Amino acid sequence: EIVLTQSPATLSLSPGERATLSCRASQSVGTYLAWYQQKPGQAPRLLIFDASNRATGIPARFSGSGSETDFTLTISSLEPEDFAVYYCQQCNLGFTFGQGTKLEIK
Amino acid sequence: EVQLVESGGDLVQPGGSLRLSCVASGFSFSDYSMYWVRQAPGKGLEWVSGIRGSGAITDYADSVKGRFTVSRDSLKSTLFLHMSSLTAADTAVYYCVKPFGLRGHDYFDFWGQGTLVSVSS
Repeated sequence: EIVLTQSPATLSLSPGERATLSCRASQSVGTYLAWYQQKPGQAPRLLIFDASNRATGIPARFSGSGSETDFTLTISSLEPEDFAVYYCQQCNLGFTFGQGTKLEIK
Repeated sequence: EVQLVESGGDLVQPGGSLRLSCVASGFSFSDYSMYWVRQAPGKGLEWVSGIRGSGAITDYADSVKGRFTVSRDSLKSTLFLHMSSLTAADTAVYYCVKPFGLRGHDYFDFWGQGTLVSVSS
């Protein structure tokens, strides 16, 4: 099973700041990696697929990068609605999720 | 508009069984694999099961293999998850998920609202 490790577990930032979230895979997943946002009481929402492609309707402040084992989700300038939990997920071999990064208001 | 509406979640005793349903609309149901993903209270996401559009091929997480069975009824555009030998570890919100495919790999782009399964005596 491919294990995804996200860091940090919690990220405390202020609106307007830049957020950088990391996801590391235990073995190569190519670019078959996605990022999801989840707010309390809601289902996850797909943000990024294929490591760097924004899903439909996702604002341009969200960007993804990386390949093989190291991936990054960047939010260029945080809006109040961006504070949530973020998960990475690989779909190269089966499906596994990272444990999540909670992005909280500082 | 794609819609996925789950139902069937309930409080069940350890060792019991339950069947979840997910009614899909807004897309050609039989053209897509479908998946179940769960989330224990306060925890992260866990892929549970998947089924091809034809229904002929299914897959399961090791944690549920032999206890859960996924199926689908294309005439009713409905996905099912039959769960048996339930334990407290199965307590979670269960999401029905529609993917989109890219180069033979599925990404989860539409999620239902989830249905809560609680296993407790």
